[in-house]
Amino acid sequence: QLQLQESGPGLVKPSETLSLTCTVSGGSISSSSYYWGWIRQPPGKGLEWIGSIYYSGSTYYNPSLKSRVTISVDTSKNQFSLKLSSVTAADTAVYYCARIEWLLPYYWGQGTLVTVSS
Amino acid sequence: EIVLTQSPDFQSVTPKEKVTITCRASQSIGSSLHWYQQKPDQSPKLLIKYASQSISGVPSRFSGSGSGTDFTLTINSLEAEDAATYYCHQSSSLPYSFGQGTKLEIK
Repeated sequence: QLQLQESGPGLVKPSETLSLTCTVSGGSISSSSYYWGWIRQPPGKGLEWIGSIYYSGSTYYNPSLKSRVTISVDTSKNQFSLKLSSVTAADTAVYYCARIEWLLPYYWGQGTLVTVSS
Repeated sequence: EIVLTQSPDFQSVTPKEKVTITCRASQSIGSSLHWYQQKPDQSPKLLIKYASQSISGVPSRFSGSGSGTDFTLTINSLEAEDAATYYCHQSSSLPYSFGQGTKLEIK
């Protein structure tokens, strides 16, 4: 059964870089059928698409975050990662990783809360 | 960017009632509209894809319709376990976007 698990620091200081990893189990990240994505949700608010990556390394980033976002993939570890630089309190959110099928997030991780605070 | 506007923002309903949630897109998105259910402290769960296509394992009381700019999620014979926030999501045009959510409370 496919599982996605986010991991990384739960607290990041303002102006620093947020780094998260999504570990995929029960399926190969190198499958040609899927993309892999990051979505976030500020506390009590709605969902925002951050970006996505194909196993080959091809990426798409939301223009609202593009200057600060990097998504990468490590096929040897069956993982993909998110880096968000120069964070502020507005970046405090639950961050979800997901497998993208038919252009939509089909399977989601459980999410991890990242708080930006000094 | 395509903006999705859901209505209502909040609805309080009784069990066995029929519920309709609408999602309007700021421009035509064909049938590239999907519906998710999110319960407190859980990740979103896909209910309907491409406006009306059912998802394996999702109860048949959930159905979707619409195309272009206007879409509807219908829940027939509401059950207590359907208390959640529902989101629409478009994958027609980058950047992909979500509606603001509709919170469903069961009386």
